[in-house]
Amino acid sequence: DQQVKQNSPSLSVQEGRISILNCDYTNSMFDYFLWYKKYPAEGPTFLISISSIKDKNEDGRFTVFLNKSAKHLSLHIVPSQPGDSAVYFCAARGSGGGADGLTFGKGTHLIIQP
Amino acid sequence: ETGVTQTPRHLVMGMTNKKSLKCEQHLGHNAMYWYKQSAKKPLELMFVYSLEERVENNSVPSRFSPECPNSSHLFLHLHTLQPEDSALYLCASSLGGGGPTDTQYFGPGTRLTVL
Repeated sequence: DQQVKQNSPSLSVQEGRISILNCDYTNSMFDYFLWYKKYPAEGPTFLISISSIKDKNEDGRFTVFLNKSAKHLSLHIVPSQPGDSAVYFCAARGSGGGADGLTFGKGTHLIIQP
Repeated sequence: ETGVTQTPRHLVMGMTNKKSLKCEQHLGHNAMYWYKQSAKKPLELMFVYSLEERVENNSVPSRFSPECPNSSHLFLHLHTLQPEDSALYLCASSLGGGGPTDTQYFGPGTRLTVL
């Protein structure tokens, strides 16, 4: 059973508008949530993260919102740019004191239309 | 070279072959990871090494054998694979201390095809 779910396989947004990517999780032991971006033929690139003690984290055009009671997070990109076209992965892990693997969603393919 | 590198980038092998995937990180990290990404599936964690010691093995078949000789290098030895093992194999590294700043950085991956 998938513990991290990205229910939209793809999303098309016009350049300059806001892109909103959603992610749901089921494991209440997750404490850190991350978003990665992936271009074809490259590995995932870290974008932004949020700890479960926060409900918002912002970095430039990227903002991640966390609703812990709903077990839901979202990534907002504003304004969207052509270079943002990529696959976006939501990932989560627990708060263990050492190295800990990530649990990933299947990804959402974001397409920015000119 | 900077970041996390993986070789080879592409590999085609028969079911009776033995091959190895190599990962090297130049970030001074202490933890390294192997992930597998099959078609239409999310990235799945395979192995975790911290300070060259394996700390997690996610029920991976024994035909996949990891090796971490030092904190900068990680190998995945492959033998008698099946066609369903065809996938993208990604290596990652992190500081390994846990906590919110323990971000994992990924290599470009090895695209493996088993015939």
